[in-house]
Amino acid sequence: SQKIEQNSEALNIQEGKTATLTCNYTNYSPAYLQWYRQDPGRGPVFLLLIRENEKEKRKERLKVTFDTTLKQSLFHITASQPADSATYLCALAPWNQGGKLIFGQGTELSVKP
Amino acid sequence: GAVVSQHPSWVICKSGTSVKIECRSLDFQATTMFWYRQFPKQSLMLMATSNEGSKATYEQGVEKDKFLINHASLTLSTLTVTSAHPEDSSFYICSARVSYSGNEQFFGPGTRLTVL
Repeated sequence: SQKIEQNSEALNIQEGKTATLTCNYTNYSPAYLQWYRQDPGRGPVFLLLIRENEKEKRKERLKVTFDTTLKQSLFHITASQPADSATYLCALAPWNQGGKLIFGQGTELSVKP
Repeated sequence: GAVVSQHPSWVICKSGTSVKIECRSLDFQATTMFWYRQFPKQSLMLMATSNEGSKATYEQGVEKDKFLINHASLTLSTLTVTSAHPEDSSFYICSARVSYSGNEQFFGPGTRLTVL
């Protein structure tokens, strides 16, 4: 069956450390994958998009990797801050489905001062 | 850029009434908009894909007569929950795809629907 999975357990880290979140998928062929941040009661905020032929993307303190062999994407936040505390969602877009996104269940990140 | 708004941000209605939610792309044209619902502590579930000028495409298990979608212009899509029931209470979120810049989807702030 088709699945997209993120760590369901909350991730607690100390301020200044690097947070690494995982997104694994099975039985999908993604054209690209997107990462979003969602705060309680708010809509998701777009962070990064990485295509299936790209290995890595960076934006300020954020880095995303995409390994189509392992069927995995990793999302890193370096020099984490308490303001980074939120739920992070990965979403993949299968080929030829008009940009439809399939979302993982999200990982809650808590950065302690 | 790429701002999506939704209105209303929250609504409380009686069982049996209909509720309309608007989704607007404020600074770009969106040929495709998507509607999602999200239950507490769960992820977003796609309900339907809305293309400007054509009928929406609904996901399996979503009743098209219950959730009416109209995408009348390149900047506006509406979702009408007809004859709402308490089980329709949820967080409804729309998104718009920016096709000219690489397929990023930008989301609205969501609408909290509570049906009494």
